[in-house]
Amino acid sequence: AQSVTQLGSHVSVSEGALVLLRCNYSSSVPPYLFWYVQYPNQGLQLLLKYTTGATLVKGINGFEAEFKKSETSFHLTKPSAHMSDAAEYFCAVRPEQTSGSRLTFGEGTQLTVNP
Amino acid sequence: DGGITQSPKYLFRKEGQNVTLSCEQNLNHDAMYWYRQDPGQGLRLIYYSQIVNDFQKGDIAEGYSVSREKKESFPLTVTSAQKNPTAFYLCASSAVVVSNQPQHFGDGTRLSIL
Repeated sequence: AQSVTQLGSHVSVSEGALVLLRCNYSSSVPPYLFWYVQYPNQGLQLLLKYTTGATLVKGINGFEAEFKKSETSFHLTKPSAHMSDAAEYFCAVRPEQTSGSRLTFGEGTQLTVNP
Repeated sequence: DGGITQSPKYLFRKEGQNVTLSCEQNLNHDAMYWYRQDPGQGLRLIYYSQIVNDFQKGDIAEGYSVSREKKESFPLTVTSAQKNPTAFYLCASSAVVVSNQPQHFGDGTRLSIL
């Protein structure tokens, strides 16, 4: 069985500061990993995904994430926060060798950006 | 543009009433999902379907029912047996054959009790 842990349910940064949102997973087989963003009263939007190949993945809105197998982590970063980045962020995992497409989501991290 | 349409955006339920949430997709995806979202609890899977006329229970299926008569449609019924239905409900779809593909989400339905 796979699980996802997002460290910190709330993260607050200043505008222009580094954003770091943490995600650790447990999976018995190599996983596929995803980060989603959710703005208030909206659905989830895909930020980026890791499947195979390069471990540093670039996504939309200047976000990127690095897959570290030895640390079972997939942390999301952005060098300089904008006010528009304030939202909730979800990490999700699917083991590579499973058929079908069911995802397991973390509990989410609410990002606040202060002016 | 292809996407997922959920309706209505807001829904109110009376005691003892069943209500149905609509989800339609034009992405030609085989798989569809229903999630429930409560504050601080992330997304919990209610039901999912990987092919027409077939569906499986997720983690919190009690008090809910679904049907999948068409590839494009996956309606969710919240029955009177669901004693705490107030939540934000999200529908998603994905191409099931290739499991590295992400799920795509609708904009949700917020259900409240009158």
